[in-house]
Amino acid sequence: DIQMTQSPSSLSASVGDRVTITCRASQTISTYLNWYQQKPGKAPKLLIYSATSLQSGVPSRFSGSGSGTDFTLIISSLQPEDFATYYCQQTYSILTFGGGTKVEIK
Amino acid sequence: QVQLVQSGSELKKPGASVKVSCKASGYTFTNYAMNWVRQAPGQGLEWMGWINTNTGNPTYAQGFTGRFVFSLDTSVSTTYLQISSLKAEDTAVYYCARHITVAGRNIGGDYWGQGTPVTVSS
Repeated sequence: DIQMTQSPSSLSASVGDRVTITCRASQTISTYLNWYQQKPGKAPKLLIYSATSLQSGVPSRFSGSGSGTDFTLIISSLQPEDFATYYCQQTYSILTFGGGTKVEIK
Repeated sequence: QVQLVQSGSELKKPGASVKVSCKASGYTFTNYAMNWVRQAPGQGLEWMGWINTNTGNPTYAQGFTGRFVFSLDTSVSTTYLQISSLKAEDTAVYYCARHITVAGRNIGGDYWGQGTPVTVSS
């Protein structure tokens, strides 16, 4: 199976900060990479698919980049509602999730 | 509007079985596969597998073979997850998620159920 490694596992940031989360695949996955946001007690929400495509209804402060094995999720200006845990997921071969990155208030 | 509504929380004893349902509405059920995802308490997301709602063919991830069975009833637009011989480590929230593809390319889960907590305890 393809392993997905996210970093950092957690971070503290302030409202207005630019936040970067990275995800690395154990083998090349082209752009078969999604990003999800999950808030406590809630189901995950698809933010970005195919590495760079913004899911309908998702604010433009979220963006994704990368291809091959290295990917990035950027939140350009962190908002109060963005404090959550973020997961990457590869869909190149079967599906696997990364371990998650918890974004906390500084 | 697309909705996935899952059955309610379950409390089971070790060795018992449980069947979780996921009822879809607002779209053509057989046009989209359904994923199942597990989240143990305080842990991350694990993809368990999916079921092709057109053919009924399931695919199971490593670690989810044997005791885990996906099934469906197209007449009521519902998919099911059955877990047998329950163990304490099966305690988790189980989610269903509609699987989308674009031009034959796997995308992922765009709509999710609310989750079904399953607790296994003696």
